[in-house]
Amino acid sequence: NAGVTQTPKFQVLKTGQSMTLQCAQDMNHNSMYWYRQDPGMGLRLIYYSASEGTTDKGEVPNGYNVSRLNKREFSLRLESAAPSQTSVYFCASSAVFGQGAIGNTIYFGEGSWLTVV
Amino acid sequence: GNSVTQMEGPVTLSEEAFLTINCTYTATGYPSLFWYVQYPGEGLQLLLKATKADDKGSNKGFEATYRKETTSFHLEKGSVQVSDSAVYFCALSDALTGGGNKLTFGTGTQLKVEL
Repeated sequence: NAGVTQTPKFQVLKTGQSMTLQCAQDMNHNSMYWYRQDPGMGLRLIYYSASEGTTDKGEVPNGYNVSRLNKREFSLRLESAAPSQTSVYFCASSAVFGQGAIGNTIYFGEGSWLTVV
Repeated sequence: GNSVTQMEGPVTLSEEAFLTINCTYTATGYPSLFWYVQYPGEGLQLLLKATKADDKGSNKGFEATYRKETTSFHLEKGSVQVSDSAVYFCALSDALTGGGNKLTFGTGTQLKVEL
């Protein structure tokens, strides 16, 4: 069972370049998320998709766009990369929509290490 | 807003020592609480969780009790092993507008266990 799969695992970009991080989950989860992890700051939510067809901003959405392509896939796009976007990016998913969701486990992918030079 | 505070690391212990990693939180309502573990070069894995006051989560010898009166969720293990070396994140879960749930994370505590 693959769980949450994200690609690429490592990427180096030049300032101003664009790229898309891909994510897919095979657990039939409704909700999907993108987080970034920076030293000393834990993980912060960039965007989320509560269910297929919806997307919303999280804590740190500036400089990013997302697409919920279908129930399985949720991509994160950097249109014009900046050094401040150097980070580790995690895609995640969880099952239940709406009431009772807060107790549900969020499952994470293995991370994508992005460096912008 | 919601926040999670956990003790700074790194924490260095000898094998078989007792482990405590402190975690306190600030939240409105009744969040669920989680401990995640991140091994080097890997993603986050759920270690344990508790969804209401006085619940005890446990897994792989680790335990944490949801204490509403002290707003705490301290992680403990009676005898650590070298293989427990990792970064541990405390988190609380909140409902998101439109559905799903958001995790608010602490900054992480690195644990190093030596022989």
